[in-house]
Amino acid sequence: GQQLNQSPQSMFIQEGEDVSMNCTSSSIFNTWLWYKQDPGEGPVLLIALYKAGELTSNGRLTAQFGTTRKDSFLNISASIPSDVGIYFCAGPVAPSNYKLTFGKGTLLTVNP
Amino acid sequence: DVKVTQSSRYLVKRTGEKVFLECVQDMDHENMFWYRQDPGLGLRLIYFSYDVKMKEKGDIPEGYSVSREKKERFSLILESASTNQTSMYLCASSLVVSGYTFGSGTRLTVV
Repeated sequence: GQQLNQSPQSMFIQEGEDVSMNCTSSSIFNTWLWYKQDPGEGPVLLIALYKAGELTSNGRLTAQFGTTRKDSFLNISASIPSDVGIYFCAGPVAPSNYKLTFGKGTLLTVNP
Repeated sequence: DVKVTQSSRYLVKRTGEKVFLECVQDMDHENMFWYRQDPGLGLRLIYFSYDVKMKEKGDIPEGYSVSREKKERFSLILESASTNQTSMYLCASSLVVSGYTFGSGTRLTVV
């Protein structure tokens, strides 16, 4: 099946640092999605990417759709304590346009 | 905003019990999903439904069944709960792929 390899598995950073995480696949995706899960809650969509090469920002978050369509990146600038959580990448399972597959997540811890 | 409500945040059940996890959404979405979340394994799809009374197996359907009698409600059923079904269960609904909305989850412990 279409699997997403997300790295790193976890990160421990100091408040104010920048963060980078990525997601790769052996399959081509037409959409890349990034979700964040706060402790004790369900995941919430952060950014959606629909076109190869696309770079999209949401506040301090920036995500890119890789030009090969097999990878995506999420950057967080100037991290703050509320950035703590699990970040998931996701993409649609072909040929469906409504079913997603998820990466295993990156657990982010921010030390104040 | 779309709201997806899972009936329980925490459940403790005994091995062999039949368990029902309920999920309700309020935005007329066709698609509804049940995922299971375990540390290090991410989100794994158990079952999904793309219309009333329609369902399809996901990646890990064994030991589970589902029911969708009304558009807004999607139930996950553990026919005979086992300890390896102790997990966080997440329900989601959507119209299209980028519109997934998740519930807050049900943490199920089977003892």
